[in-house]
Amino acid sequence: AQTVTQSQPEMSVQEAETVTLSCTYDTSESDYYLFWYKQPPSRQMILVIRQEAYKQQNATENRFSVNFQKAAKSFSLKISDSQLGDAAMYFCAYRPQYNNNDMRFGAGTRLTVKP
Amino acid sequence: DAGVTQSPTHLIKTRGQQVTLRCSPKSGHDTVSWYQQALGQGPQFIFQYYEEEERQRGNFPDRFSGHQFPNYSSELNVNALLLGDSALYLCASSRDRGQLFFGSGTQLSVL
Repeated sequence: AQTVTQSQPEMSVQEAETVTLSCTYDTSESDYYLFWYKQPPSRQMILVIRQEAYKQQNATENRFSVNFQKAAKSFSLKISDSQLGDAAMYFCAYRPQYNNNDMRFGAGTRLTVKP
Repeated sequence: DAGVTQSPTHLIKTRGQQVTLRCSPKSGHDTVSWYQQALGQGPQFIFQYYEEEERQRGNFPDRFSGHQFPNYSSELNVNALLLGDSALYLCASSRDRGQLFFGSGTQLSVL
């Protein structure tokens, strides 16, 4: 069974600094997607960034980038130039490439941004 | 373009009661998935509806049931509520097996 593990329940970063959130996963599939979602107090899950497992190049979206290590089954999120609005719960998620029926989420990391 | 909308936003029920939660998908989406997010945890997949049928189900008891209407909107029903059913219930829509878009959820409290 696919599992997703986030080992950092809480992280803190100074405004304008860089922070990295960790995620590991377990799967026997070769084709899959990995995601980072942000959940602010509004509770809506907002997609931050997506990585296709068949792509070796790490995904980047403005200040957000990932370090995808397929062999190690590791998928970390780097937030550069942190802003107060980045404060939220961050969830790492996995799903098989051809099946979005069962997306698996980690337990989340609460990110605090200090002014 | 309205995103995924859920109602109600908050709900309080007592043990043994039944509850119905509602979800309207994003325009152009035909698939609805439901997730349960307990306090301090990530969302867990309940089931997915496509073409008015349950396509796949997660590890949830039969007390959890759903329905999808011809306009693609969906309902989640929970019977015989338990204290442990207290959670945030998230709806997500997609075009078939494409990217999921989430609503803001319904916070259910069972007393």
